[in-house]
Amino acid sequence: GQSLEQPSEVTAVEGAIVQINCTYQTSGFYGLSWYQQHDGGAPTFLSYNALDGLEETGRFSSFLSRSDSYGYLLLQELQMKDSASYFCAVPGSGNTGKLIFGQGTTLQVKP
Amino acid sequence: DGGITQSPKYLFRKEGQNVTLSCEQNLNHDAMYWYRQDPGQGLRLIYYSQIVNDFQKGDIAEGYSVSREKKESFPLTVTSAQKNPTAFYLCASIDRSNYGYTFGSGTRLTVV
Repeated sequence: GQSLEQPSEVTAVEGAIVQINCTYQTSGFYGLSWYQQHDGGAPTFLSYNALDGLEETGRFSSFLSRSDSYGYLLLQELQMKDSASYFCAVPGSGNTGKLIFGQGTTLQVKP
Repeated sequence: DGGITQSPKYLFRKEGQNVTLSCEQNLNHDAMYWYRQDPGQGLRLIYYSQIVNDFQKGDIAEGYSVSREKKESFPLTVTSAQKNPTAFYLCASIDRSNYGYTFGSGTRLTVV
């Protein structure tokens, strides 16, 4: 089967850096995605890593290590608006486009 | 702007009633997906469709049905057989170039 593990909650202060980890178990691997979801809203796509290494998009970066079945989302210069839930996801088996999501990490940014 | 439109935003269902959630996209994406989200939980796949007139069950399809008569539309029916339908329902389509989903704004279904 396929499963993902990520911490349930993370707290950080405004302006700081926070890392949200994700470990996964999959029968085949096609990449790791990250999504942000504000309370009451829909998830929005942040990043997708198919290869090892760090990819940066503004204040957000995403890292993947396929040999360790591990990735993380790095948020820099935290702002209050970054308070949200963050989900990692991997493609399901077969080339169907379906995603398997982790349970989500709730990030609380404090002043 | 391209996107996914879900309606209604809020829906109340009586016991024994079937209800249909609408999902329309103008992104020209072939594949569409329905997910269910319970409070404090991740998303679980209900049904998906990779092409018109074809759809597949996801992990929690029991008590749900779908149709895909047009590329743009992928409605979800929550039947009376679904015993615990209260949840947040999300429709999505995928950009195959980066495995990025675009989600609709969701429908919050409550049983009354």
